Amino acid sequence: DVKVTQSSRYLVKRTGEKVFLECVQDMDHENMFWYRQDPGLGLRLIYFSYDVKMKEKGDIPEGYSVSREKKERFSLILESASTNQTSMYLCASSLAFGATHEQYFGPGTRLTVT
Amino acid sequence: SQKIEQNSEALNIQEGKTATLTCNYTNYSPAYLQWYRQDPGRGPVFLLLIRENEKEKRKERLKVTFDTTLKQSLFHITASQPADSATYLCALPQGNLIFGKGTKLSVKP
Repeated sequence: DVKVTQSSRYLVKRTGEKVFLECVQDMDHENMFWYRQDPGLGLRLIYFSYDVKMKEKGDIPEGYSVSREKKERFSLILESASTNQTSMYLCASSLAFGATHEQYFGPGTRLTVT
Repeated sequence: SQKIEQNSEALNIQEGKTATLTCNYTNYSPAYLQWYRQDPGRGPVFLLLIRENEKEKRKERLKVTFDTTLKQSLFHITASQPADSATYLCALPQGNLIFGKGTKLSVKP
């Protein structure tokens, strides 16, 4: 079974803090994704990566950055957390880009910025 | 750009009935469409993929149809059970996947 793990289920941070969200997949997938999910807005893609050290902006990259130093690990960084970044963050991976492969999601991190 | 509309935010049905969820898209017909299930506080889980040349796909009590003329996919759960209660998302490719906002299904015993 593919397993995607995220470093925390719940996180509370203060405005202005630097926040790291870690994601690890164990199936040698090429692609990894970071989404945020908010009520009424659905899943929105923040960043994705289709190879080590490669990253591409998604639909809402502002205020975020990412790092992929190893194939299995994809980190989301909030440089200076703000209250409007309070959300559920979901990491996902898939086998390859441009194919019909499904995405495997982690359990999510519910981030609260106060 | 493509837009997805899952036109019911919530659907309540009685146990044993068939649940039918709708996914409409607005522009070009995608090469395939996927359906996911999401339980509260969890990540989505992939259920089924249907390609544009497939009219229907089945998996146990699940059935998905794909009508490129209507620009619509229907997701059916037959003999529904309370354990089927969840939010169901459809997704289609636009570069990466784009997801609908989901339909929350509640199956009452």
